[in-house]
Amino acid sequence: EDQVTQSPEALRLQEGESSSLNCSYTVSGLRGLFWYRQDPGKGPEFLFTLYSAGEEKEKERLKATLTKKESFLHITAPKPEDSATYLCAVQRSNSGYALNFGKGTSLLVTP
Amino acid sequence: SAVISQKPSRDICQRGTSLTIQCQVDSQVTMMFWYRQQPGQSLTLIATANQGSEATYESGFVIDKFPISRPNLTFSTLTVSNLSPEDSSIYLCSVVNVGQGAFFGQGTRLTVV
Repeated sequence: EDQVTQSPEALRLQEGESSSLNCSYTVSGLRGLFWYRQDPGKGPEFLFTLYSAGEEKEKERLKATLTKKESFLHITAPKPEDSATYLCAVQRSNSGYALNFGKGTSLLVTP
Repeated sequence: SAVISQKPSRDICQRGTSLTIQCQVDSQVTMMFWYRQQPGQSLTLIATANQGSEATYESGFVIDKFPISRPNLTFSTLTVSNLSPEDSSIYLCSVVNVGQGAFFGQGTRLTVV
């Protein structure tokens, strides 16, 4: 069964303090790994899709990387506006394009 | 990316009633999905909305409770029937653009009283 585990559950950073969020996954054949940002009361905002080990993608202060067993979302010099819940999801290995989500990491960046 | 509009954005409903949520996409999409996000939890897939045929439901979700329509490639509805307080959640519509990603609407926050 496809599983996604995110850690830590919550992370508090000072503004400018870089860190990484982890997403470990178990799938029978990875077809795609997705990162989202979710603000309270809103739907998930698409950030990245990664398809193969070694792939990296960047957007502003965020960089996502992928290995055969996990993905990292690196946040460089975060700002308070980066505070949100970050969700990781894998495309199901059995069929279609439905996603299995992890429980998310709640990030708080303080000034 | 696709622009997805969900209506209503929130509602408060009496137990035993039903709520129908609409999802409108600004372009034709092959794949549409409905997810549920219970308070403090992550997203769980309810069903795949298939155009021109019956939706495909995940384990634990049944058509009588969550009927879905998909009359064309830009529109779908999810009805949550016979509401109980346990149905209080955020319901999200999602579409997939192959090669780009999976995108979500803003969600419908349902509170059952």
